Amino acid sequence: GQQLNQSPQSMFIQEGEDVSMNCTSSSIFNTWLWYKQDPGEGPVLLIALYKAGELTSNGRLTAQFGITRKDSFLNISASIPSDVGIYFCAGQLAGGTSYGKLTFGQGTILTVHP
Amino acid sequence: DAGITQSPRYKITETGRQVTLMCHQTWSHSYMFWYRQDLGHGLRLIYYSAAADITDKGEVPDGYVVSRSKTENFPLTLESATRSQTSVYFCASRGGVGEQFFGPGTRLTVL
Repeated sequence: GQQLNQSPQSMFIQEGEDVSMNCTSSSIFNTWLWYKQDPGEGPVLLIALYKAGELTSNGRLTAQFGITRKDSFLNISASIPSDVGIYFCAGQLAGGTSYGKLTFGQGTILTVHP
Repeated sequence: DAGITQSPRYKITETGRQVTLMCHQTWSHSYMFWYRQDLGHGLRLIYYSAAADITDKGEVPDGYVVSRSKTENFPLTLESATRSQTSVYFCASRGGVGEQFFGPGTRLTVL
């Protein structure tokens, strides 16, 4: 099925560093979502984007909906140990009858060293 | 409690047994979804439902059955469990503008 290309697959950073990850696709999306998953838990919604070019922040997190509607990125500034987890992008395809179904990236595993 | 809940959180069963995973949401969201999460495959959609009594197959529906008699509940049944169905299962419901909210998951082991 349709996949989003999420990169990087994993990141090992020092506490205090900034983090950037992105998702790309050959298809056009009308919604981009970013989730974080802690071990043993379900994904938690971090940021939702609904318009091309939209830039949205949530604390130290900033995400953007790409102008082409085929990509999105997530930045985390001044990382802290509790940022550790798996970050997923997800998009809802534009047009057609997607019935709200999402396409997910494979995830970015973030490790933060104190 | 408000939100989306799943039960049981952990389940061990044997090959060939029937297993039902429960999902309950308190937001009255119309859309609900079942996913499985496996290493190397990410989140894959099993079934979804647009409303009570309206369900449809997702990417990996074989071996699963769903029902939705009430808006707030969306149970997933494995009719005859197989080892390949060992996984973590997540239920989600969709808010008004497209975002999905996930439950805490059920970790299922089939021996």
